[in-house]
Amino acid sequence: KAGVTQTPRYLIKTRGQQVTLSCSPISGHRSVSWYQQTPGQGLQFLFEYFSETQRNKGNFPGRFSGRQFSNSRSEMNVSTLELGDSALYLCASSSGTSGRSDNEQFFGPGTRLTVL
Amino acid sequence: GQSLEQPSEVTAVEGAIVQINCTYQTSGFYGLSWYQQHDGGAPTFLSYNALDGLEETGRFSSFLSRSDSYGYLLLQELQMKDSASYFCAVSRAGGFKTIFGAGTRLFVKA
Repeated sequence: KAGVTQTPRYLIKTRGQQVTLSCSPISGHRSVSWYQQTPGQGLQFLFEYFSETQRNKGNFPGRFSGRQFSNSRSEMNVSTLELGDSALYLCASSSGTSGRSDNEQFFGPGTRLTVL
Repeated sequence: GQSLEQPSEVTAVEGAIVQINCTYQTSGFYGLSWYQQHDGGAPTFLSYNALDGLEETGRFSSFLSRSDSYGYLLLQELQMKDSASYFCAVSRAGGFKTIFGAGTRLFVKA
C-alpha cells in the first residue's frame, strides 16, 4: 500500500505571495490532518478534514486554509506569506473512523517552505 | 487551555533503558500517542494508550495514568538508531484533533 505523498517537497516563495500544498492520503483513509513544524515548536495542528469537511481547526490565522476533495486528497493554501511561515508542513492521514486505528496517523514526508 | 510538557533532551548510553515523561492538560482527553521522528524524516507512530496501564510493543512500552494526566514512553535495550525526537500527542474527543508536545530529543551514545 502506497504511503502518504506530498507535493511539492521544497518550495521557495517571497513575502506576500501565496502557496498551495498538496497531500494524497493512504488509499482508504478519509481523514487528513495538516501540521506546521518549526525548530523548537514541535508540530502545530492546523486543521483536519474528513469526508470533504473541516472537522477540526487549530489556532492559525485565516491566511491558512484548506480543502479536501471527494477522493480524500487535500490541499492547504497559505495566502500573503510572511517570513514566519517558513516551516516544514506535514500532512497525516488516518482511517478517520472511531476506534483505536483512528489514532494512528501516517505522515507524509512534508513540504519544506522557505519564505524570503 | 491545553498543554503538554515533556523534557527537551535526554541522553542515555547504548543498551540502557530510558523513560521519557509527558504530562498533559486538556479537556475532552481521549488518548495519548507517541511518535518518533528522525532528523529529516517524517514522524512515525509508536504507540497509543486510551486506558490506564502499560502497553508493550517490542523494545518500546508506553504507560498512561489518566488520573494523573501523565504518561511515559519507555525504551529498552537502547540502540544508536533510537537517537531521534520523540513526541507525545493528545487526542481529544469530539472530532479528530491531535495536539503534539514540543518533543524530546534523545541522544544515544556508545
